[in-house]
Amino acid sequence: QKEVEQDPGPLSVPEGAIVSLNCTYSNSAFQYFMWYRQYSRKGPELLMYTYSSGNKEDGRFTAQVDKSSKYISLFIRDSQPSDSATYLCAMKETSGSRLTFGEGTQLTVNP
Amino acid sequence: DVKVTQSSRYLVKRTGEKVFLECVQDMDHENMFWYRQDPGLGLRLIYFSYDVKMKEKGDIPEGYSVSREKKERFSLILESASTNQTSMYLCASSSFYGTKYQETQYFGPGTRLLVL
Repeated sequence: QKEVEQDPGPLSVPEGAIVSLNCTYSNSAFQYFMWYRQYSRKGPELLMYTYSSGNKEDGRFTAQVDKSSKYISLFIRDSQPSDSATYLCAMKETSGSRLTFGEGTQLTVNP
Repeated sequence: DVKVTQSSRYLVKRTGEKVFLECVQDMDHENMFWYRQDPGLGLRLIYFSYDVKMKEKGDIPEGYSVSREKKERFSLILESASTNQTSMYLCASSSFYGTKYQETQYFGPGTRLLVL
């Protein structure tokens, strides 16, 4: 069983839709939670960063962490065609520098 | 802004060749990482380094070696390339010190390697 599970999709939504992307994990030592966005044929770029539980909002993006359920989410409001990308969740324990990644969810926002 | 660069965007090599992939970061980060990314398998860590001349095996080190002679540069070496090493290779760096935010990893653009 993978430490981090993420539905690979693909997910296709119309422009303006609210998108919900999710990851579940099994390692209770994870304390840092990140979302990366990866455009086709490019490297991943950091989108959201959250420490421990709670919500974080940045423009149209909201990241949620529920450590009791070992579940994290990324919400995209008013989705745009430019949001079409693969979204990877990543997690880290308090000590060490290694990240554990989900497989990534491929999102397409149709105009 | 953090800048991580990789020497090549695309490479085509033949089976048995020795292949060098170079990565350079300009943010004085202590940690550097090499991943490969394959459909259905996600990002898998090959090797990482937390200091000059230091290296640690990741999850899939077989068939690869690394070199870190300078802090800003981390090289991935395929000793004898094989077709199953055809993949997207991604380099990343992070800071060991500073704020928690700085511990996140910053990625290069990737190198698409095709081994024939």
